[in-house]
Amino acid sequence: AQKITQTQPGMFVQEKEAVTLDCTYDTSDPSYGLFWYKQPSSGEMIFLIYQGSYDQQNATEGRYSLNFQKARKSANLVISASQLGDSAMYFCAMRLSGGYQKVTFGIGTKLQVIP
Amino acid sequence: DAGVIQSPRHEVTEMGQEVTLRCKPISGHNSLFWYRQTMMRGLELLIYFNNNVPIDDSGMPEDRFSAKMPNASFSTLKIQPSEPRDSAVYFCASSLEQGSTQYFGPGTRLLVL
Repeated sequence: AQKITQTQPGMFVQEKEAVTLDCTYDTSDPSYGLFWYKQPSSGEMIFLIYQGSYDQQNATEGRYSLNFQKARKSANLVISASQLGDSAMYFCAMRLSGGYQKVTFGIGTKLQVIP
Repeated sequence: DAGVIQSPRHEVTEMGQEVTLRCKPISGHNSLFWYRQTMMRGLELLIYFNNNVPIDDSGMPEDRFSAKMPNASFSTLKIQPSEPRDSAVYFCASSLEQGSTQYFGPGTRLLVL
């Protein structure tokens, strides 16, 4: 069974600095997808970025990039130039490929951006 | 384009009452998911529909919970009778197809007194 681990319950970052949120995963399947979602205090779950296991390059979406290290089974989220609006819970998730597969979510990391 | 729409956004009810949560997926999406989020258990998948057909309901807690998807643009999650331990945020999510990215609605915050 697949597993997602987020070991940082809480993180602080100074405004305009970069921050890395850690995520490791465990699966024996070679084909999978990795996701990051943001949940601000208002409660909605916002999709940020996706990385496929066979993608050659790390995914990027604006200020978000995914540092994908397949051999280490890590998929860290990097947020550059942090903004106050980045303060939120961040969830890493994984889904195996092929037909219907459940998405497994991590427990989340709470990020606080300090002015 | 409208995202996933859920109603109500907040619901407060008394133990024993019936609760119905509603979801409208993104137009054109053929997969729909209901999740429950609590502090203790995190985000749990309750049920998954593909093309309006329930495919995986292994996460539905017990017979008090039921879900329907009568057409491609509407789904309900019903709890009858509700209990205080059902208090949680319930999310609906949809995806374009079976394996693609899921987009979440704003959630329904349910409090059962």
